[in-house]
This record gives sequence, C-alpha cells and structure tokens, in this order.
Amino acid sequence: NAGVTQTPKFRVLKTGQSMTLLCAQDMNHEYMYWYRQDPGMGLRLIHYSVGEGTTAKGEVPDGYNVSRLKKQNFLLGLESAAPSQTSVYFCASRKDSLSYGYTFGSGTRLTVV
Amino acid sequence: AQKITQTQPGMFVQEKEAVTLDCTYDTSDQSYGLFWYKQPSSGEMIFLIYQGSYDEQNATEGRYSLNFQKARKSANLVISASQLGDSAMYFCAMRGPFRQGAQKLVFGQGTRLTINP
Repeated sequence: NAGVTQTPKFRVLKTGQSMTLLCAQDMNHEYMYWYRQDPGMGLRLIHYSVGEGTTAKGEVPDGYNVSRLKKQNFLLGLESAAPSQTSVYFCASRKDSLSYGYTFGSGTRLTVV
Repeated sequence: AQKITQTQPGMFVQEKEAVTLDCTYDTSDQSYGLFWYKQPSSGEMIFLIYQGSYDEQNATEGRYSLNFQKARKSANLVISASQLGDSAMYFCAMRGPFRQGAQKLVFGQGTRLTINP
C-alpha cells in the first residue's frame, strides 16, 4: 500500500520553464490537496479537488494550474516558473467528507533559478 | 476565516523534560478539528494527534497529549519525557466543519523543537 506518492522528489527549473508535479494515491480517496511550504509560513493551500473532474482554488493559486482527470491522480502545473515558486510542495488526500484523517505525500523540493 | 497562530518559532528543551508547544486558533464555526503534525529533518509530515471541537476529553496518543481549552481557543501540544528523536518542526492545523465541502486544513507557522542531550 503506497499511500500518496509524489514525483519528482527534487527538481531544479530555470525561470520561464514549465513542469508538472504528479500526486498519485491508491486509497480511493475522494479529496486531494496541493500545499506549498515556505520558511516561517507553514503550509499554504494552492488548489484542491473534491472528486474526479473537479478542482478549486485555495489560498495561493496564482501561477499554478491543476487537473484531476482520474480519481487517483492530482497534477500540479507550473506554466512559466518563477523564483517565487521555489518551495517544497506537498500533496495530501482524504477519504471523504466525514473522515478526519489526511494522508500526506513525502514532498517535492522545487528550486527555480 | 480560520487562522492558526504558533507564537514560538523555536524551542530548546533538555532531554527527558516535558515540553508544551503553543497553538491558538480563530474560527467562528462551532464544529472544527485540530491537528498536530511533526516534520523531521527528512521532510515528511507525520500525524501526531487530533481533537474534535465537541470532544469533551483531551486527546492523548502515547507521549503526546493535546491540552484543549475551547474558551481560550488554544490547542497546545504536550510531549512528556522528551527524546532526542522529538527534535523536529511541529505544525498545528485546523479543519473546518464537515458541512463545508473540502474541509481544507489551515496550518500555523510551525515551531522548531530542539531536544538537547
């Protein structure tokens, strides 16, 4: 049982490049979330999804896009990376609206130079 | 809007001492949940303990307990008999009512705990 898997684990991008972060869960969870973690600011929500085919904006959505074409996958895209997007990105999932547990991936460390 | 405040950026504690990490929250909802997570230097987020707003007793999980004071809107984490392996970043987080869709987690800024031998 892999839980929540994030790929890649590390990445260095040049300003203006694009990339996609993949979050995959094998627990049949309905809800999925993307957070970014910056020093002194905790984790902030970028986008989230309450089910296959749905996405919604979180607290800091600018510069990011997401898609959830399959229930098990939640993709986070950076169309034109900026140094301000240097961060650690976490994906999390949750079974349904009545469960209290959140399962986190191990994170992706992204550096934009 | 929900808000979590952790006012201790860093704490240093001697091994085997008990430690309290502070967390205050702000919400207008009556139903909510409070979490504590540990993030060691390896980076993963480890769930420690959960307290529901309607739970009458403070949550406990092994050496961890949550000192829930609803009127003061505080949810402090208490670690008894600290160990070197407890050195990590600790985050307090809150989710909103179950009726509110995705119940997004809102996090505090974190407290870096260092246990000295």
